[in-house]
Amino acid sequence: QITLKESGPTLVKPTQTLTLTCTFSGFSLSTTGVGVGWIRQPPGKALEWLTLIYWDDDKRYSPSLESRLTISKDTSRNQVVLTMTNMDPVDTATYFCTHMTVTSASWDSWGQGTLVTVSS
Amino acid sequence: QSALTQPASVSGSPGQSITISCTGTSRDVGGYNYVSWYQQHPGKAPKLMIFYVTNRPSGVSDRFSGSKSGNTASLTISGLQAEDEADYYCSSFTTSTTLVVFGGGTKLTVL
Repeated sequence: QITLKESGPTLVKPTQTLTLTCTFSGFSLSTTGVGVGWIRQPPGKALEWLTLIYWDDDKRYSPSLESRLTISKDTSRNQVVLTMTNMDPVDTATYFCTHMTVTSASWDSWGQGTLVTVSS
Repeated sequence: QSALTQPASVSGSPGQSITISCTGTSRDVGGYNYVSWYQQHPGKAPKLMIFYVTNRPSGVSDRFSGSKSGNTASLTISGLQAEDEADYYCSSFTTSTTLVVFGGGTKLTVL
């Protein structure tokens, strides 16, 4: 059974850097074809894809946010870390960590999500 | 504005069938079969309902089905039940620098 859980601050100030950790179980990020992504959802709004890291350390970013995002993995600890710099109130959202495989090309397991509020 | 276009809302009575459309371009929906659909109840994480346009994950009811024609994908729910009331999102991988796109979401109301 695959499980993912997001952790990190619930409140950050404008201009600060957000760091979120996804801790997962039930799969290995060293297995060929596996990826972990981050997707966010502002309150009352639609889902937005942010970034994805593959088993081979290939990383992809949303072009609109690429300059502010960094994704990394620690395979031995079963963790993926997302950093987002220069946070703004418009970045207030629930941030989800997700599992995918290249064979399904879909987000087949999701964490519960963590609400991050950006406010001074 | 989302990259994929969905109707803001649809509704139907219990037992009826409804269809939600998801319109993209030849660089996403039309160019790939990597279309997926997600169900999201209030305050919950999305749940994968359909992948690869027509495939259901294990455990998803066969009342849910997917299809595609050209640049438009569709999710059909037959035999509507009260528990189907939720938001539904489509998604696609793309050939552009934006690897993944989502639709704006459709709120399904079961009357």
